[in-house]
Amino acid sequence: DIQMTQSPPSLSASVGDRITITCRASHIIRHYLNWYHQKPGKAPKLLIYRASSLQSGVPSRFSGSGSETDFTLTISSLQPEDFATYYCQQSFSTPFTFGPGTKVDI
Amino acid sequence: QVQLQESGPGLVKPSGTLSLTCVVSGGSMNTGQWWTWLRQPPGKGLEWIGEVYHSGSTNYNPSLKSRVTISVDESRNQFSLKVTAVTAADTASYFCASLSNGRSRFDNWGPGTLVFVSS
Repeated sequence: DIQMTQSPPSLSASVGDRITITCRASHIIRHYLNWYHQKPGKAPKLLIYRASSLQSGVPSRFSGSGSETDFTLTISSLQPEDFATYYCQQSFSTPFTFGPGTKVDI
Repeated sequence: QVQLQESGPGLVKPSGTLSLTCVVSGGSMNTGQWWTWLRQPPGKGLEWIGEVYHSGSTNYNPSLKSRVTISVDESRNQFSLKVTAVTAADTASYFCASLSNGRSRFDNWGPGTLVFVSS
């Protein structure tokens, strides 16, 4: 299985901050990397697919980059609705696997 | 955009079978997506359980393969999950989702249903 790691596990930030979350895959996954966020009691929501493509309807303050094994998610100006847990996920091979999550709070 | 909704018992006894159904609305099931199940134990991360195509083809996570069956009923626009011989470790929120665009991303999710395994 491809193992996904994320850093940091959690971070505290303020509205308007620029934040970056990193994700690393244990094997080369090319650009097959997606980002989701999840609020308590809700389903995850797709933000970025194939490393850098913005999902329809997602604000442009979200951006993704990277390839092969190292990836980043950046939020350019944190908004109140962005406080959530963020997960990366590889779709290069089955079993599809997720990172452990990064909790973003105030 | 399709909508998905999980349903099924919220409590299952140890050694029993967990059965859930996901109804797909707002679209057809034969438009190239794979239909998937994922789960998330309370306070923990996400785990992919497996997937089914409208034709009935399936793929499963090897960690659960011996206990899991996913099936599709295209005429009723729904797909189902069965997990046998459950234990407390199977307590989780279970999500159905569509896996789209060449199996590259989970783009539509159901709201999830919490299933407890307890006597």
